[in-house]
This record gives sequence, C-alpha cells and structure tokens, in this order.
Amino acid sequence: KNQVEQSPQSLIILEGKNCTLQCNYTVSPFSNLRWYKQDTGRGPVSLTIMTFSENTKSNGRYTATLDADTKQSSLHITASQLSDSASYICVLTGGGNKLTFGTGTQLKVEL
Amino acid sequence: EPEVTQTPSHQVTQMGQEVILRCVPISNHLYFYWYRQILGQKVEFLVSFYNNEISEKSEIFDDQFSVERPDGSNFTLKIRSTKLEDSAMYFCASSERENEQFFGPGTRLTVL
Repeated sequence: KNQVEQSPQSLIILEGKNCTLQCNYTVSPFSNLRWYKQDTGRGPVSLTIMTFSENTKSNGRYTATLDADTKQSSLHITASQLSDSASYICVLTGGGNKLTFGTGTQLKVEL
Repeated sequence: EPEVTQTPSHQVTQMGQEVILRCVPISNHLYFYWYRQILGQKVEFLVSFYNNEISEKSEIFDDQFSVERPDGSNFTLKIRSTKLEDSAMYFCASSERENEQFFGPGTRLTVL
C-alpha cells in the first residue's frame, strides 16, 4: 500500500529559527512530490512541487529537497515567523493525478 | 486571484439524512476532486472527475456517495444516507490539467 510518513509529528520552535521537516514515502511510481501548508480549518495550499528528477526547489523561505534513491524529501523553513504555524503535508501524485497525503507535521512558532 | 469556493462552510445533519456539498471550481479548470479529512487524521482522496465522468475513486467512495456537475460551474458531492463516521472536513479541488490542484476552504460536515 502506498504510504507517506512524516516526522516529527509536531514541532515547536522560536520565531526566527530554522527547521527541517522530513518525509519518507513508498509511493511508486509517482509524477511529482508536493509540500502543502494547511492552516487549521482551511484547505491545503501548495508551497513547492518537484518532479522525481528534481533535487531541490525553493519558494521564498521554503526549500524542499528530494532524494528519489532513498525515497526521502525534506522541507526547510528559514527564519520562521509566527504565521508559519500550521500543518505541513508531504503529498505524492500518482497515476490519474491522485494525491496521496502524508500524516503531516504540526509546526508551532512561538515568540 | 481565482479560487475554489465551497458551500456551506459548516453543515449539521441527522444520521440517515442526505447532504449535498457544493463546490465552484476555478473557471478554466477541467479536472475536479473531492477529499475528506476526519478530525486529527490525514487528508484522504475520494474521487476525481473529468469530462463529465468519474476517472478514479477510492474505496471510501462507496454507493452512498455520488458526484455531479449539474451545470457549467458547480461540482457537487452527495452523501445519500449519512452515517456518524461521515463527519469530517470535505475539500473540493480543481486543476487545469493533470497538474497542480487548488483546494477550496472545505465544508465541515457534522452528523449527529
């Protein structure tokens, strides 16, 4: 069964600090890997999209990496802000544009 | 900026009742999707829809569920006879092609 596991499950950091979220997957084959940000009670919003041949993709303070050999991806957030507090979800796109969502990492940024 | 909209934002219903959740996808998008998220759990794929027919559905999407595009703008999810375990956030998404999906804000369904 295709799985997308994320770690840590939750994370608390101080404003201004950096953090890295991890994603391990067994979805195969897949066309792309996305990281989404989901605020509480809202729909997911795309942060980055990478094809299986890309190693890294940046979007402002967000940088995603992908290692297709080890089936791992990471999302690095630089200089965190209070508004970064949300759930960050690793999502893989399989056949038919079907998305397989990860378990998510709940990030809280504090003063 | 165009966005996916969903109504209602919150629906409360009695077990066994029928509910219809409505979505207005982004206007030039051709692919439509429904997902659900039970409280505290991950988002799960329900169904994808293209060219007026279901292209893929998950095992969750049983005979109690149906989707329809009744006109040129709306995309609906119907649950025929709701169960307690149908309580969840339901997200609609749309995409221009088989690429990035844009999600709506969700409808919170509460079945009593």
